[in-house]
Amino acid sequence: NAGVTQTPKFRILKIGQSMTLQCTQDMNHNYMYWYRQDPGMGLKLIYYSVGAGITDKGEVPNGYNVSRSTTEDFPLRLELAAPSQTSVYFCASSYLNAASYEQYFGPGTRLTVT
Amino acid sequence: GQQVMQIPQYQHVQEGEDFTTYCNSSTTLSNIQWYKQRPGGHPVFLIQLVKSGEVKKQKRLTFQFGEAKKNSSLHITATQTTDVGTYFCAGPPQETSGSRLTFGEGTQLTVNP
Repeated sequence: NAGVTQTPKFRILKIGQSMTLQCTQDMNHNYMYWYRQDPGMGLKLIYYSVGAGITDKGEVPNGYNVSRSTTEDFPLRLELAAPSQTSVYFCASSYLNAASYEQYFGPGTRLTVT
Repeated sequence: GQQVMQIPQYQHVQEGEDFTTYCNSSTTLSNIQWYKQRPGGHPVFLIQLVKSGEVKKQKRLTFQFGEAKKNSSLHITATQTTDVGTYFCAGPPQETSGSRLTFGEGTQLTVNP
């Protein structure tokens, strides 16, 4: 299994541009998440999904959109990029059951908005 | 909303010294998880604690969950250079299903050889 994969690894955007960060997992996990991590800081939840067709806002959803049409994919859309969205973005997945809530993280996408 | 705080924010130790990071939640947690992130890497799950007062060990790492399920600690005995990284605690509020986590800000550990 490849686990959680993210593309691209790096991206530079100009202010006002849009882009989609891709995330795919091959572990048949029902839950998927998007976090952002600013330098030297913890992880802030942007959006999460409990299954295909179901998404919900996290702590910092403004400026982002998500969709979950399949179990495997959970893309994150940035519309009208702003410098405040410069960050490292991590996608994660988990299979929630009574025994474990472990989240598996992808390698991240480093985004710079100038 | 729920807040999860970690102290210290940074810790520098000499190789062989012990290290402890503390995690405190503003709300009761149904479980607490610990993750390690190496410099430039992504968070990797270390362990999950569920029961009040639970203690778990992984080689030189000892994890504790407080009796009130609002605090936790990670202790590393005799640190090694491979322990370098940022350690995060995370937990869902007790009233939730565990589908979302609130992460602490992390403790960044550096080890001088």
